[in-house]
Amino acid sequence: QLQLQESGPGLVKPSETLSLTCAVSGYSVRSDSYFWAWIRQSPERGLEWIGSLSYGYSTEYSPSLKTRVTISADWSKNQLSLKLASVTAADTAIYYCVRHRQWEPHHWGQGAVVTVSS
Amino acid sequence: ATQMTQSPSSLSASVGDRVTITCRASQNTRSDLAWYQVKPGKGPKLLIFGASSYQSGVPSRFSGSGSGTDFNLTISSLQPEDFGTYYCLQDYTFPLTFGGGTKVEMK
Repeated sequence: QLQLQESGPGLVKPSETLSLTCAVSGYSVRSDSYFWAWIRQSPERGLEWIGSLSYGYSTEYSPSLKTRVTISADWSKNQLSLKLASVTAADTAIYYCVRHRQWEPHHWGQGAVVTVSS
Repeated sequence: ATQMTQSPSSLSASVGDRVTITCRASQNTRSDLAWYQVKPGKGPKLLIFGASSYQSGVPSRFSGSGSGTDFNLTISSLQPEDFGTYYCLQDYTFPLTFGGGTKVEMK
């Protein structure tokens, strides 16, 4: 059974880099059959796609975040990671790891709450 | 990027009402559209994918329709537990884009 578990610091200082990990079990991320995305949710901005990665494809990023975000995978650990640089209070959100492809249900992790504050 | 325009941005309806939420894409997204429900303090719940396919466990009062650029989510008989905010998401092309959300409140 597929499970995605996000983890990382819940509090990040302004101007620093937010770093999250998504541990995947029940499916290999080293598959070109699915994309693996990071999506965030906040009351102010609603739902926002950050980017997606798939084995053998170039990583896709949100145009509004592209200059600050890096999504990568550790194939040996079956994990994904998200790094978002130069954070501000506007980056306070719940961050989700999601498996997706067209014509199939998207599968979400439980989410990681991240607050940006000094 | 494909812009997703959702309407209305909010609505107030009574239990038993038929409710329709619309999402319009700025370009063709075939049928690659999903609908999500978000409640305070909870993660997004997938309702519909592929424009009209039900996610397992979703009540049959929810239905999705449309293709190309115009899509609808209909709740045939609104229930008290249906309050929350609804979002559409196109996953036809990158960047993936969400609609702005529709907040459903009970009268």
